[in-house]
Amino acid sequence: GAVVSQHPSWVICKSGTSVKIECRSLDFQATTMFWYRQFPKQSLMLMATSNEGSKATYEQGVEKDKFLINHASLTLSTLTVTSAHPEDSSFYICSAREGGHYEQYFGPGTRLTVT
Amino acid sequence: SQKIEQNSEALNIQEGKTATLTCNYTNYSPAYLQWYRQDPGRGPVFLLLIRENEKEKRKERLKVTFDTTLKQSLFHITASQPADSATYLCAGTRDNYGQNFVFGPGTRLSVLP
Repeated sequence: GAVVSQHPSWVICKSGTSVKIECRSLDFQATTMFWYRQFPKQSLMLMATSNEGSKATYEQGVEKDKFLINHASLTLSTLTVTSAHPEDSSFYICSAREGGHYEQYFGPGTRLTVT
Repeated sequence: SQKIEQNSEALNIQEGKTATLTCNYTNYSPAYLQWYRQDPGRGPVFLLLIRENEKEKRKERLKVTFDTTLKQSLFHITASQPADSATYLCAGTRDNYGQNFVFGPGTRLSVLP
C-alpha cells in the first residue's frame, strides 16, 4: 500500500516552454500533497504544500506564478513549470499524506532538463 | 531557523556490523521524526516514524531512538548488508500541526562486503 506515482519520470524541454508533472496517490486518498526539488547531492527542499481543493501554500522564495500547483482531487496533484529556464533543471519529487496520518509517501521523482 | 543536521555526510561500515546514523535538531521541538531511505535518482522511501513521547521504535533490523533532552535521534541498522547502502534522510515536523517537514542533508551509507 501507500504508493505514489509521478509522470513523467524524465522530461527534456526547450527554454521558454512549460512542463506539467503529475503526482498520483494510487491506493489512498491524499488530503495533502507536497512538492520538493532536489539538486545533486543535496537534500530535499520543500517548494509548496497543497491541500485538496485549496490553493497551494508556497515556501519563501518560490515563485507561485512560475510553479503552478493544482490539487483538484484526493488522488492527483500537478506541478506546472511555466516558461522554464535552464536553472529550473532539477529533480522534482512529490509526496502525499493521508488525512489523519503523519507519514509522507514519496513518488519516484521527475528529472527535468531545460535546454 | 528550524534546522535538522545529520552529522556524517558519509559513513562506511563492514557488512554484518551495526550502522548508527545521527540526526540533531535545533531551534524547534518536532512532535515526531521520520527516517527515509533514498537511492540515487529515486524518491525517498519511508522507513520509520517516531513520536516525541516514544523513546524507541523498531522494525525488523531497524531501530530509531528519540532523545528530547539531547535533541537527537539515532537510527540503527543491525547486521548491515551491502543492499543497505543508500542515503538516509532524517525529517522533523516544522510546526505543531505536523504539516510540513524539515529534511536533513542525509547520510550516505556504504556497507562494504
